[in-house]
Amino acid sequence: DAGVTQSPTHLIKTRGQQVTLRCSPISGHKSVSWYQQVLGQGPQFIFQYYEKEERGRGNFPDRFSARQFPNYSSELNVNALLLGDSALYLCASSGGAGGYTFGSGTRLTVV
Amino acid sequence: DQQVKQNSPSLSVQEGRISILNCDYTNSMFDYFLWYKKYPAEGPTFLISISSIKDKNEDGRFTVFLNKSAKHLSLHIVPSQPGDSAVYFCAASLSFGNEKLTFGTGTRLTIIP
Repeated sequence: DAGVTQSPTHLIKTRGQQVTLRCSPISGHKSVSWYQQVLGQGPQFIFQYYEKEERGRGNFPDRFSARQFPNYSSELNVNALLLGDSALYLCASSGGAGGYTFGSGTRLTVV
Repeated sequence: DQQVKQNSPSLSVQEGRISILNCDYTNSMFDYFLWYKKYPAEGPTFLISISSIKDKNEDGRFTVFLNKSAKHLSLHIVPSQPGDSAVYFCAASLSFGNEKLTFGTGTRLTIIP
């Protein structure tokens, strides 16, 4: 069974640019969550989507947005990139039984 | 405001011995706790969880203990193996199935052969 897949694995962007990160959940999982992990810190919750509806939002600016598609895949968009947005972005999917499976992440570097 | 704290950034343990990783939390509304293990260049992997109605949960070599009055939980790994070397994160949520997890900053565990 394929796990949670994220693309791309690595990305370099310039300050002020926009970026889109993608996530495909485990087959049958309807919930997707996004986390940001800055070096030396634990992952921080950004968004949760369930059945295409936003179910939760963390303490992130409006430059961060996300959506979920009918096939339950998801995109995370970040506008007007800042150096501080450099991080590992993790996607997790859940089938609702309390188990959250993470992807390997997208490493974003903003220069 | 760090609601979940792992005060030991690193821990070294001899192979075969017990590893004990600790985690403290401040939000008394947290109801469900999880431990994740993370290798470099991989996402966190779920290890074990515990609901606040229990004080212990065991799965093979891994046991999690919860002390609600002290707002403290710990992960015991017995016996420790070289493959256990990784960063361990404690996480908490307001309820089982609530997918907003609040993570600690992690503890790097090194198992010495």
